[in-house]
Amino acid sequence: GQNIDQPTEMTATEGAIVQINCTYQTSGFNGLFWYQQHAGEAPTFLSYNVLDGLEEKGRFSSFLSRSKGYSYLLLKELQMKDSASYLCAVRDSNYQLIWGAGTKLIIKP
Amino acid sequence: DAGITQSPRYKITETGRQVTLMCHQTWSHSYMFWYRQDLGHGLRLIYYSAAADITDKGEVPDGYVVSRSKTENFPLTLESATRSQTSVYFCASSGGEEADTQYFGPGTRLTVL
Repeated sequence: GQNIDQPTEMTATEGAIVQINCTYQTSGFNGLFWYQQHAGEAPTFLSYNVLDGLEEKGRFSSFLSRSKGYSYLLLKELQMKDSASYLCAVRDSNYQLIWGAGTKLIIKP
Repeated sequence: DAGITQSPRYKITETGRQVTLMCHQTWSHSYMFWYRQDLGHGLRLIYYSAAADITDKGEVPDGYVVSRSKTENFPLTLESATRSQTSVYFCASSGGEEADTQYFGPGTRLTVL
């Protein structure tokens, strides 16, 4: 079957750095997405990786290793507004997105 | 500049009733999707549509019906609501210049009593 694993919850301190990991086993691979979802709101797009390596976008970076079925989202200079759930999703061979259950990130002052 | 909207935002209904959730997008995106989100689960695809009059089942289609007569609208109907369909429903669309990315509506919180 298809499976996306990410930690359920993480806690970090304002101003620090946090890395959220995602491992996947899917039937085919056509890209990996990270979305941010604040409580009670819709998911919003953060990043997309289809080739191995690091994609940097301001305070957020996303890394992909296709051979290891692994990705991480790196958040730097954490702010209180970064408290949210972070969703990892993989597009499979049918071009459908398979979603992880999300990682709830709690930022403490 | 409405983007993608859903209505109603909140709905309470009773078991056995028919309910229709509306989704409208102003981007002329070709693809539209319906997901449900439940605690402890990732987003699960109910139905999707590649274009007007083209729809296909996702992971959890049972108990749901969709139609897409116009590119901009993609309603989702629960023909006879059950308590297990209590959930948050998100509509999404993709297409245009950033064809890879799905953009989500604000969601509809549905409670079936």
